[in-house]
Amino acid sequence: GNSVTQMEGPVTLSEEAFLTINCTYTATGYPSLFWYVQYPGEGLQLLLKATKADDKGSNKGFEATYRKETTSFHLEKGSVQVSDSAVYFCALTSLSSGGSYIPTFGRGTSLIVHP
Amino acid sequence: NAGVTQTPKFRILKIGQSMTLQCTQDMNHNYMYWYRQDPGMGLKLIYYSVGAGITDKGEVPNGYNVSRSTTEDFPLRLELAAPSQTSVYFCASSYRQDPSSYGYTFGSGTRLTVV
Repeated sequence: GNSVTQMEGPVTLSEEAFLTINCTYTATGYPSLFWYVQYPGEGLQLLLKATKADDKGSNKGFEATYRKETTSFHLEKGSVQVSDSAVYFCALTSLSSGGSYIPTFGRGTSLIVHP
Repeated sequence: NAGVTQTPKFRILKIGQSMTLQCTQDMNHNYMYWYRQDPGMGLKLIYYSVGAGITDKGEVPNGYNVSRSTTEDFPLRLELAAPSQTSVYFCASSYRQDPSSYGYTFGSGTRLTVV
């Protein structure tokens, strides 16, 4: 079956530091890959996505590149802000043999940014 | 511009009680999902629906029931609540079953405690 593995948190950084959150996956077929962000007390929000190998998703200064050869989709940001403090989820969907798209989420990585 | 609305936001149940978690979306999405999120864990799919009148089990359906009588509403029913059902529940919807283009829209969640 499909699976998503994320680095364990919390990740604690100072403002303006460089961020990397690792994500690797196992999937059948050709999955689409996503990063979602969850701010305290809220639901998940789509942050960025990539649908095929070598695609780069980007949004709000965050980037992630779909690496098929290493089955990875690491999230990066060059300079984090306090407002980026949240939980980040890596996720994938792929077409199952039954013809449906059932998403698989990682465990989430908590990011804490200090002023 | 409501998106996905979940009620209630918080609830405490006694063991053996039952309740319904409400989920409504106003985006005319055919596809709807119920997830539970346990501390330190990713999201687990409970049930999903591909349209009015059609539902199917996800990864962890035991102890839950759903119905989909309209496109807008997808309530989740807990019968005979157990402490193991203490969790945060998220409802989500998508425009297409393949979320590659649009991703999922999540509600803000229901925090349920069973004592």
